[in-house]
Amino acid sequence: GAVVSQHPSRVICKSGTSVKIECRSLDFQATTMFWYRQFPKQSLMLMATSNEGSKATYEQGVEKDKFLINHASLTLSTLTVTSAHPEDSSFYICSARDLPGQPQHFGDGTRLSIL
Amino acid sequence: ELKVEQNPLFLSMQEGKNYTIYCNYSTTSDRLYWYRQDPGKSLESLFVLLSNGAVKQEGRLMASLDTKARLSTLHITAAVHDLSATYFCAVNNNAGNMLTFGGGTRLMVKP
Repeated sequence: GAVVSQHPSRVICKSGTSVKIECRSLDFQATTMFWYRQFPKQSLMLMATSNEGSKATYEQGVEKDKFLINHASLTLSTLTVTSAHPEDSSFYICSARDLPGQPQHFGDGTRLSIL
Repeated sequence: ELKVEQNPLFLSMQEGKNYTIYCNYSTTSDRLYWYRQDPGKSLESLFVLLSNGAVKQEGRLMASLDTKARLSTLHITAAVHDLSATYFCAVNNNAGNMLTFGGGTRLMVKP
């Protein structure tokens, strides 16, 4: 089955640090990747959609200068949280799919804690 | 704008009992997904429903879809403790080809 690897699984860092999260599709070409954020006891909220080789499309209310997304290859997308603050602490989940209409395959998530 | 509502948001039930989780959505969609999430974990895919009247079953879980009513149900039969988790439905937004999630139903099955 399609596998999406997300790394790291857990990050704890100081306020003001930038943190990079990687999302890799291991056995398929991910033309589209999605980044979600989930606060405790809440649902998943889509942050942005990225298509390989194009700029990411951000959802309303998500700061593109704070959450930098790069999708330079068909197997890798990265999310960089720049100058992270405690309010950015959350569970970040990526997903990937190969073609429109195909199911999204989810990574294992990254728990980000900013002190 | 596509809106997806789940109810109940929290469900505490005894082992052996049956119950149904409901997922309503506001605009036409071509597919609906059900996921399970354990604490601290990511999503596990349970079902994808593609057409009106679709019914899928896996173990004690059965999902159905009524596209005319814009309603999906996840029925739990003879619940066991291992089913304790949060369950999400997600509806495909045809316009953007992306998923909109319901608020989730936190299920707790007590021995």
